Amino acid sequence: NAGVTQTPKFQVLKTGQSMTLQCAQDMNHNSMYWYRQDPGMGLRLIYYSASEGTTDKGEVPNGYNVSRLNKREFSLRLESAAPSQTSVYFCASSVNRNQPQHFGDGTRLSIL
Amino acid sequence: GDSVTQMEGPVTLSEEAFLTINCTYTATGYPSLFWYVQYPGEGLQLLLKATKADDKGSNKGFEATYRKETTSFHLEKGSVQVSDSAVYFCALSDNTGNQFYFGTGTSLTVIP
Repeated sequence: NAGVTQTPKFQVLKTGQSMTLQCAQDMNHNSMYWYRQDPGMGLRLIYYSASEGTTDKGEVPNGYNVSRLNKREFSLRLESAAPSQTSVYFCASSVNRNQPQHFGDGTRLSIL
Repeated sequence: GDSVTQMEGPVTLSEEAFLTINCTYTATGYPSLFWYVQYPGEGLQLLLKATKADDKGSNKGFEATYRKETTSFHLEKGSVQVSDSAVYFCALSDNTGNQFYFGTGTSLTVIP
């Protein structure tokens, strides 16, 4: 009963390095999301994909790119990591945009 | 635009105390409302939901009633346990099917 799987769980990068966070869901959901969670800031939407083949910017897209590889997979890429991108990143999916979202366990990313 | 406002935390209660976490919303039309819970080191999990006015969502002893007249969806539990220590998020989905909004979260600590 996997649900939403994120890899890796932890990562440390140096400033300027690049990295791709992976997310896969096995619930046949149409919509997928990437959030970051910072202390005192709640959840902030980075990018979302309402359906396979589409992606849109959320509240804080700068410094990130995404790819909806297929219906199951939605990856988040940091091209040139900055210390301000140190955060916990969550991937989520839902049947459609207005339905409850199911979350992965997060990726804890530190950028030195 | 639509939004969700939660009471500021953190909240600290003794075991078996009564819990209320306030949530109010701003929305046009008739949104659906949700409470999510995040345990330490994990992603968010759907706790309960209500899709129309006067609906009561309930799960694991938690309840929340969709009050359109006061635009509120307060979370309550009659007797909290140490295992309820977590961060609680109120959320809203609008009636266009396009948007899903999270509150900033309220941290709850229950002490024995």
